[in-house]
Amino acid sequence: AQRVTQPEKLLSVFKGAPVELKCNYSYSGSPELFWYVQYSRQRLQLLLRHISRESIKGFTADLNKGETSFHLKKPFAQEEDSAMYYCALSGGLTGGGNKLTFGTGTQLKVEL
Amino acid sequence: SQTIHQWPATLVQPVGSPLSLECTVEGTSNPNLYWYRQAAGRGLQLLFYSVGIGQISSEVPQNLSASRPQDRQFILSSKKLLLSDSGFYLCAWTYRDRVTGELFFGEGSRLTVL
Repeated sequence: AQRVTQPEKLLSVFKGAPVELKCNYSYSGSPELFWYVQYSRQRLQLLLRHISRESIKGFTADLNKGETSFHLKKPFAQEEDSAMYYCALSGGLTGGGNKLTFGTGTQLKVEL
Repeated sequence: SQTIHQWPATLVQPVGSPLSLECTVEGTSNPNLYWYRQAAGRGLQLLFYSVGIGQISSEVPQNLSASRPQDRQFILSSKKLLLSDSGFYLCAWTYRDRVTGELFFGEGSRLTVL
């Protein structure tokens, strides 16, 4: 079974401070990991995926298979980063195809 | 471009009443379709997914059912709602033959069962 754990329900940081949203996963195969974001009054949307090794809006995430983690990081938080962040895992095109298992989410609040 | 529509946006229903939430996708063919429920403190729970017309897979036993009468239409139903069915329901789609992992979500339907 696949499982995603986000230990923090709420993370509050000051503007300009570093941000790290934690995500740990459990999966027996080779996982694909993602971060989704939901800004206030907007749809849930993809932020980044580990396979792309990209930086989106200053955020990066590195897949650590040894620690089974995929933490989301940003060196300097901005007010517009305030949102709900979900970590998600996919086992790929197996059976139902691209099924994503989501964590419980972390609400990031950036204070001035 | 592809779009996904979900309705109604808000619904208040009494216990024991039926439910029908509808979702349609435009601008693409043969999508995989999904119904998720978003509950406070519980994240997003996958309820149903479909890889084709009439093909429905249920992830958790519950009081709900899903149907896919057309390629780009996905319906979430219940014959008799329970209080525990209250929540925020999200429909989503993805490309069937691409391993992108990117789900495209609708705006959601907030259901309150009284």
